[in-house]
Amino acid sequence: DAKTTQPNSMESNEEEPVHLPCNHSTISGTDYIHWYRQLPSQGPEYVIHGLTSNVNNRMASLAIAEDRKSSTLILHRATLRDAAVYYCILRDLNDYKLSFGAGTTVTVRA
Amino acid sequence: NAGVMQNPRHLVRRRGQEARLRCSPMKGHSHVYWYRQLPEEGLKFMVYLQKENIIDESGMPKERFSAEFPKEGPSILRIQQVVRGDSAAYFCASSPTSATYNEQFFGPGTRLTVL
Repeated sequence: DAKTTQPNSMESNEEEPVHLPCNHSTISGTDYIHWYRQLPSQGPEYVIHGLTSNVNNRMASLAIAEDRKSSTLILHRATLRDAAVYYCILRDLNDYKLSFGAGTTVTVRA
Repeated sequence: NAGVMQNPRHLVRRRGQEARLRCSPMKGHSHVYWYRQLPEEGLKFMVYLQKENIIDESGMPKERFSAEFPKEGPSILRIQQVVRGDSAAYFCASSPTSATYNEQFFGPGTRLTVL
């Protein structure tokens, strides 16, 4: 049921920024954009979410296109600990469950 | 401020046995969600519970699977007469409300292996 499209994988060097794109061309006005990540052998972990405006927190930044049909998760300085599968998820106002797609597998090179 | 706790972390069962997976949500959270991650597949929603109520079990197989979240104690996901296809990682998440803007906090998962 995932309504987002992400690249299968991305590689980055340690301490360099990582830009993870997500396309969601069928997004509705009440869909929030959520990002979660899953480190190896762990449960998913919330990263960030937004509706229309760009968002920043201690983990990452979320840049949302003006038409909201795409967004980009930005990890400002990748560390080895950021190696994970990153999931971009749309959640409607009334949608309590998370619909995970395949996500993007991020590899960080030392 | 403990996070979501799940036990056991690893569970091995033989075909036909029962598996009981436990989930203690974060303190103050009354909403619990169970997800399953089959090998080489993505996470799939199974069931959503509030205290003493099942709100949505649309993702749970109709047979052999059941879930509960009693007034006191952890949430339990029960799988009767396990088969090899039940081998997966089962994750529990909790949130203070079901609102979209609330993040879900996940536990470390229970990895079930059916021999």
